[in-house]
Amino acid sequence: EVQLVESGGGLVKPGGSLRLSCAASGFTFSNAWMSWVRQAPGKGLEWVGRIRSKTDGGTTDYAAPVKGRFTISRDDSKNTMSLQMNSLKTEDTAVYYCTTDLINWGQGTLVTVSS
Amino acid sequence: QSVLTQPPSASGTPGQRVTISCSGSRSNIGSNNVYWYQQLPGTAPKLLIYRTNQRPSGVPDRFSGSKSGTSASLAISGLRSEDEADYYCAAWGDSLSGNWVFGGGTKLTVL
Repeated sequence: EVQLVESGGGLVKPGGSLRLSCAASGFTFSNAWMSWVRQAPGKGLEWVGRIRSKTDGGTTDYAAPVKGRFTISRDDSKNTMSLQMNSLKTEDTAVYYCTTDLINWGQGTLVTVSS
Repeated sequence: QSVLTQPPSASGTPGQRVTISCSGSRSNIGSNNVYWYQQLPGTAPKLLIYRTNQRPSGVPDRFSGSKSGTSASLAISGLRSEDEADYYCAAWGDSLSGNWVFGGGTKLTVL
């Protein structure tokens, strides 16, 4: 059974940084393209970015609102993916979901950016 | 403002058939597969339809997906009270970048 467990969410001040992690199990993580999706309170879903498998180049893509501030990485030896978020803004407040490129989803972790 | 356009709400009575539309453009829906998600209150989204019209195992055949040109539809037949949820469509934004784009979501009410 595929399991994705996010961690690292919390309260951070505007301009601050936070690192989210996603622990994956139940599938061959190294072969998977992985994505982060977020959902602001009471709003719809927004794709944040993706990291391809190493065999497909391991490259990343980002949505325009986070490009240059967020970085996605992966550690295939630990079956984990990370989202490093810098220069956080109040509009980054959301539940962040780890996904196998939008097929399987974790339960999400809440990030609140507020002074 | 979402790239894909969905009606904000839809409703139906138990047993009825309901369809939810998702409108895009040639670069997203017109060129790529469509995915549909169900989100029950307070829970993570769940994949309902992938590759436009395929159901993951465990999803009842009451749910079906289709596409015509730059629009897609999710149909729910034999509506049940537990189908009351938010529904989202998604597709690759364009075949070059592969960035995902979403619809704004449709709140389905079972009357």
